[in-house]
Amino acid sequence: GAVVSQHPSRVICKSGTSVKIECRSLDFQATTMFWYRQFPKQSLMLMATSNEGSKATYEQGVEKDKFLINHASLTLSTLTVTSAHPEDSSFYICSASRGTGGEGYTFGSGTRLTVV
Amino acid sequence: AQSVTQPDIHITVSEGASLELRCNYSYGATPYLFWYVQSPGQGLQLLLKYFSGDTLVQGIKGFEAEFKRSQSSFNLRKPSVHWSDAAEYFCAVGLNNNDMRFGAGTRLTVKP
Repeated sequence: GAVVSQHPSRVICKSGTSVKIECRSLDFQATTMFWYRQFPKQSLMLMATSNEGSKATYEQGVEKDKFLINHASLTLSTLTVTSAHPEDSSFYICSASRGTGGEGYTFGSGTRLTVV
Repeated sequence: AQSVTQPDIHITVSEGASLELRCNYSYGATPYLFWYVQSPGQGLQLLLKYFSGDTLVQGIKGFEAEFKRSQSSFNLRKPSVHWSDAAEYFCAVGLNNNDMRFGAGTRLTVKP
């Protein structure tokens, strides 16, 4: 159990366009989902925490208007990169939590975004 | 300041040799502790986790980790490394607010 599906796995878009990434918990309800960004050969940096039915909490330095997060149901969170630029190219990973206390983290397989 | 430290950026071991990857954390209380492995272009796979109880934790793929409170460490070990173990390894801590923070990662290279 505890499977998180992330889609798409790879996307190439033109500069100025928007891209939506989906994160779904397939066999459990995720009260909280997290979005991370990973630059090449670096660690994961938390971008935002997404709670179902409420606004996401963004980490310092993350542009809310650029990285739109929607968590409309207990099984789906989306990250939309708006007006993408080449510097937004990165590997984005989501994770979902089933409960509290750090016990239920399951990660998606990541999305490689390339902005040309 | 709260932090997760993986002192070794890159480690190279010979196939069949033992492995130890270091992880230290700095938090006010004992957090939940995790080790993840990431192959190139892939997501993260959980190797093992520690919440409480026995400080020696067994994980998948023959990995184990030992929590040492006095040293604020959670080092990952494997007695005999296989070529397929070459990957990036991340230590992480889970906080009470359901957040998770990662170390910088250690890249493991396995020599034939």
